[in-house]
Amino acid sequence: AQTVTQSQPEMSVQEAETVTLSCTYDTSESDYYLFWYKQPPSRQMILVIRQEAYKQQNATENRFSVNFQKAAKSFSLKISDSQLGDAAMYFCAYRSSGTYKYIFGTGTRLKVLA
Amino acid sequence: DTAVSQTPKYLVTQMGNDKSIKCEQNLGHDTMYWYKQDSKKFLKIMFSYNNKELIINETVPNRFSPKSPDKAHLNLHINSLELGDSAVYFCASSQGAKNIQYFGAGTRLSVL
Repeated sequence: AQTVTQSQPEMSVQEAETVTLSCTYDTSESDYYLFWYKQPPSRQMILVIRQEAYKQQNATENRFSVNFQKAAKSFSLKISDSQLGDAAMYFCAYRSSGTYKYIFGTGTRLKVLA
Repeated sequence: DTAVSQTPKYLVTQMGNDKSIKCEQNLGHDTMYWYKQDSKKFLKIMFSYNNKELIINETVPNRFSPKSPDKAHLNLHINSLELGDSAVYFCASSQGAKNIQYFGAGTRLSVL
């Protein structure tokens, strides 16, 4: 069965600095998708970034980028120029291609210090 | 307009009661989901419907029954509520399996 592991329950970053959140996953499949979702105190789950496993190029969305290492089954999220509004729980998620089921990690709480 | 809306946002009830949570999406998606997020923030899928047909049914007590009257709505009915049912329940929708899921704002259920 597939699993997603986020080994950092909590991280802190100074405003304007860069932080990297870790995620590893376990799967025997070759075609899948990986996601980072953000959950601010409002509880709303917001998609931050998505990576397709068959694409070697790392996904980027403005200040958010990923380091996707398929062989190592690692999918870390880098947040550059951190802002106070980035403070939230961040969840890594996996979905096998052709299925509807998402598997989420346990989350990393990010604190941004002014 | 809110894309995925859930009602109510908060629900406080006594053990043994029956309650429902409603979900509606106006995105034209054909697939909808229910997730449960426990007190440790762990998010786990419960059910999924595609075009009103049940396609995912995780190991969930029979007291939980989803109902999809049409593909824009997926309601969750819970019978004989227990203390352990206290959690935040999220509804989500997507267009097929390949596309991303959009989440509602969640319903915080507190069973006393």
